[in-house]
Amino acid sequence: GENVEQHPSTLSVQEGDSAVIKCTYSDSASNYFPWYKQELGKGPQLIIDIRSNVGEKKDQRIAVTLNKTAKHFSLHITETQPEDSAVYFCAASKGGGADGLTFGKGTHLIIQP
Amino acid sequence: EPEVTQTPSHQVTQMGQEVILRCVPISNHLYFYWYRQILGQKVEFLVSFYNNEISEKSEIFDDQFSVERPDGSNFTLKIRSTKLEDSAMYFCASTGGSNTGELFFGEGSRLTVL
Repeated sequence: GENVEQHPSTLSVQEGDSAVIKCTYSDSASNYFPWYKQELGKGPQLIIDIRSNVGEKKDQRIAVTLNKTAKHFSLHITETQPEDSAVYFCAASKGGGADGLTFGKGTHLIIQP
Repeated sequence: EPEVTQTPSHQVTQMGQEVILRCVPISNHLYFYWYRQILGQKVEFLVSFYNNEISEKSEIFDDQFSVERPDGSNFTLKIRSTKLEDSAMYFCASTGGSNTGELFFGEGSRLTVL
C-alpha cells in the first residue's frame, strides 16, 4: 500500500520567515495530495491540495509543489504568523479524492514571536 | 458554517468494555469515514461508508469494530471489546462526494482504555 513520509516532525521558525514541510510517497499511482492543518483540540482542516496534473498551486501565503518523478511534494508558508502554529499533515490518494487517503505523521510548526 | 460534530469528546473505559463513538456528519454529505490517531502517530484510515454500507476498510478495522448509520443523521463507531491499544483519538469525517477531495473532520473523540 501507499506509504507517506513527512519531514521534519517539528519545525520552529521566526515570525515573518518562511516554513517548508516535505513529504514523499511510494505509490506512483497516487494522484491527489492534500495538506491538512490541525489546531490544538480540533480536527484536521484542509488548507490546500494539488492533483498530479499540475506542478504547483498557490493560495495567498501558502503554496504546494509536486514532483511526480521524484514522488515528493512540499508545503511552503511565507510570511509566517502566530496563527500558523499548528500540526500540518500531508496525505496522498490514488482515487483523486477523499477515498483511500494515507497521511504522513505530521509536522508541528511553531512560530516564534 | 456546517460542521461535523462528535460525542463524547473524551471517554475513559475499562479493557473489555464496549464503546460507541457518535458522529453527526454534515447534513448533505454522502460519504462518511472514521480515522484514528494514536498519540504522536499518523492519522490512520479505519473505514469508509457510503449508501448504508462499508465501501472500504483497513486492516485495523477487524471484527471488534463496526459502524452504523442508525438514522438519517448519526454515524457511529462501535468497538465491541476494547483493548489497551485502542486508546487513541478517533476522528469522524464526511465529504459530499468521494472525488471532491475535501474531507471535513470532526474535533475527535479521545478514547482511553485502562
